[in-house]
Amino acid sequence: GNSVTQMEGPVTLSEEAFLTINCTYTATGYPSLFWYVQYPGEGLQLLLKATKADDKGSNKGFEATYRKETTSFHLEKGSVQVSDSAVYFCALCYYGGSQGNLIFGKGTKLSVKP
Amino acid sequence: AAGVIQSPRHLIKEKRETATLKCYPIPRHDTVYWYQQGPGQDPQFLISFYEKMQSDKGSIPDRFSAQQFSDYHSELNMSSLELGDSALYFCASSPAVVYNEQFFGPGTRLTVL
Repeated sequence: GNSVTQMEGPVTLSEEAFLTINCTYTATGYPSLFWYVQYPGEGLQLLLKATKADDKGSNKGFEATYRKETTSFHLEKGSVQVSDSAVYFCALCYYGGSQGNLIFGKGTKLSVKP
Repeated sequence: AAGVIQSPRHLIKEKRETATLKCYPIPRHDTVYWYQQGPGQDPQFLISFYEKMQSDKGSIPDRFSAQQFSDYHSELNMSSLELGDSALYFCASSPAVVYNEQFFGPGTRLTVL
């Protein structure tokens, strides 16, 4: 079946450190891939997305590239800030027909210390 | 910009009671999704609707039912509540079920005592 595996947290970094959160997926066909962020006590916000192989999604300094050959969509940021502290979810989705629901990874909690 | 509205934001119920959660999608969005997120868990897909018809079904218990109305808002009805139903329930909407992103509401936190 379709699934998403992401690195377990929590991840604790100092401000301005480099961030990588690994995400790999298992799927038939060519899903769209997403990173969602959940701040404490809030809902899910779309951070970035990629809909086909080699696409790079980017937003607010975060980037992720859709790698079909390694079935990966790792999230990176060059310099994290305290305000980036949140839970990050990698997700995949098929669109079309009757499908369209998101399948999430377990989430990775990021804590950034000043 | 208009966002997805969910009501109520918080709900406390006793075991075996019923609950109704409401979702108002972004204007002109015709697809609604419901997700359940247990404490410290990832969101799990429950059910979705497209143009007022059920389009997909996930891990939704038989005690739960949902529908989408003519104005595209959706309601999730939960009966015979159990302690394990305590969770954050998210609604998301999208303009169509083809290559579009889902916009999430703030969620309804249901606590079953």
